[in-house]
Amino acid sequence: GQNIDQPTEMTATEGAIVQINCTYQTSGFNGLFWYQQHAGEAPTFLSYNVLDGLEEKGRFSSFLSRSKGYSYLLLKELQMKDSASYLCAVAYGNNRLAFGKGNQVVVIP
Amino acid sequence: DVKVTQSSRYLVKRTGEKVFLECVQDMDHENMFWYRQDPGLGLRLIYFSYDVKMKEKGDIPEGYSVSREKKERFSLILESASTNQTSMYLCASKFDGAYGYTFGSGTRLTVV
Repeated sequence: GQNIDQPTEMTATEGAIVQINCTYQTSGFNGLFWYQQHAGEAPTFLSYNVLDGLEEKGRFSSFLSRSKGYSYLLLKELQMKDSASYLCAVAYGNNRLAFGKGNQVVVIP
Repeated sequence: DVKVTQSSRYLVKRTGEKVFLECVQDMDHENMFWYRQDPGLGLRLIYFSYDVKMKEKGDIPEGYSVSREKKERFSLILESASTNQTSMYLCASKFDGAYGYTFGSGTRLTVV
């Protein structure tokens, strides 16, 4: 089976940097996704890593280490609109995606 | 932009009713998925379909069935709704070989 772990909640100040960690154990790894989900809305795609290393996209960066089964999402220059749940998801097998429980980030002024 | 449309945003049904949740995508994706999302449990895969009339069980298929008669439409069926099926239901779709999922806006189902 798939096992994906994320911390449940964190609070950070507007303008700060926050790092959201994700560890996973899976068979047939085909890449790792990060999704953002605002309350009551659908998840929206943030990033995809399949090779080790850092992928940067504006204020968001995502890192992957396949040998350690570890990824993180880095959010820089936090804004109030970044308050959301951040979902780590691992692609495996035939088009399947397994999700972590999500990390709720609360941004305070 | 790919659109995945779920027919209802909010639904209230009675215990024992047969419930249909509909999902339609407009980009000719081969693969479609149904997840439910519950606090503290995250998204869990119920069923998915990789082609018309084809389906595979996900991690929690009990109490559900699905139908895919046309490529663009994937229906989730609760044969006899129960209160423990009260949840947010999310539909998603993707192309074969591409890993990015596109999600619908969700249906919040309450079974009373």
